[in-house]
Amino acid sequence: EVQLVESGGGLIQPGGSLRLSCAASGFIVSSNYMSWVRQAPGKGLEWVSVIYSGDSTYYADSVKGRFTISSDNSKNTLYLQMNSLRAEDTAVYYCAATTVTLLDYWGQGTLVTVSS
Amino acid sequence: SYELTQPSSVSVSPGQTATITCSGDGLAKKYARWFQQKPGQAPVVVIYKDSERPSGIPERFSGSSSGTTVTLTISGAQVEDEADYYCYSAADNNWVFGGGTKLTVL
Repeated sequence: EVQLVESGGGLIQPGGSLRLSCAASGFIVSSNYMSWVRQAPGKGLEWVSVIYSGDSTYYADSVKGRFTISSDNSKNTLYLQMNSLRAEDTAVYYCAATTVTLLDYWGQGTLVTVSS
Repeated sequence: SYELTQPSSVSVSPGQTATITCSGDGLAKKYARWFQQKPGQAPVVVIYKDSERPSGIPERFSGSSSGTTVTLTISGAQVEDEADYYCYSAADNNWVFGGGTKLTVL
């Protein structure tokens, strides 16, 4: 069974940094498309970033230059390093895995609150 | 990129058929997915590749595609199906999401 468990969210001041983790089981992170998606309170969903083939990465314009996606094959874990955080980055952050059959699995999400 | 448009709400009585549409130019070339989101729970994909149903998803959930519109159909909707439903699809190395549809079953 595929499972994704996010962690690392919390309350952070504007300008601060956080690293989110997404621990995977039931499949291999490095062999699949892995994405981060966020949902601001009461709002819709926004794609944030994707990594595949180990080193191909893409970012939404809203986070480019501030966020970095990466993976650790030895830990089978996906990360999102978030720097220079802003109030508008406040959201629940989900990780998602896309398998070769194009079926996606989603984690339960972790809340990031950027506020002074 | 492109946009995906869904109705903001759909309401049916238990046992009726609920239909949720999702429209966007990109759907003519890219597969659509649908997920169900209940408050405080992880999103659950109910349809992928326009019409494929993951194992464990009830047969009353089905998907179809025609041109630039995809449709999620819940035949004989149950009270437990009340949730937000989002369509989404791949664009150029990113995902595009619809605005979500709140399904009320009462």
